[in-house]
Amino acid sequence: DQQVKQNSPSLSVQEGRISILNCDYTNSMFDYFLWYKKYPAEGPTFLISISSIKDKNEDGRFTVFLNKSAKHLSLHIVPSQPGDSAVYFCAAKDAGKSTFGDGTTLTVKP
Amino acid sequence: DTGVSQNPRHKITKRGQNVTFRCDPISEHNRLYWYRQTLGQGPEFLTYFQNEAQLEKSRLLSDRFSAERPKGSFSTLEIQRTEQGDSAMYLCASSLALGGGPNGYTFGSGTRLTVV
Repeated sequence: DQQVKQNSPSLSVQEGRISILNCDYTNSMFDYFLWYKKYPAEGPTFLISISSIKDKNEDGRFTVFLNKSAKHLSLHIVPSQPGDSAVYFCAAKDAGKSTFGDGTTLTVKP
Repeated sequence: DTGVSQNPRHKITKRGQNVTFRCDPISEHNRLYWYRQTLGQGPEFLTYFQNEAQLEKSRLLSDRFSAERPKGSFSTLEIQRTEQGDSAMYLCASSLALGGGPNGYTFGSGTRLTVV
């Protein structure tokens, strides 16, 4: 049973517009939720996180929203830039480790 | 510090052979994690260490897989009697906080294993 799901394998947006990436989870014991960005031939790179007791965390162009009742989180990128084109992984942390979704490939068109 | 280093970057082996991968974490990180990633999927947890103690192993990890972190620094992941289904990217990550905490993991670039 997949505990962290990213239901959209891909997303394409125009430069300057908002990118919204979504993630659903099933385990209420997760205490942190994280987003990672991955370029080809590299390992994932940590982007932003949110504690399970918060509903929003913002860092520059990146904002993560958490809806605990819906067990849903989203990453907003505003404005999107061509350099944001990458695979984005949602992850959820329990006591010892993080569990990852299968990723969403974001393409930002100039 | 140069980050998390993994060697080799690529490994091609014949089915049935044994392979060993090495991971050198960030020196001040006491937690080290191994993940496996196949095409179109996210990193899948294999095992993790706190210092030299192996604290958790995925039940998906068969007994052909073994990992060590003998002095709480570098770690090795060995796969015995490789099978074609073992072909994947093997990722190592390290962190100060459990599970990465609010600052996440630092990943290496991975070792790509191809079993022919």
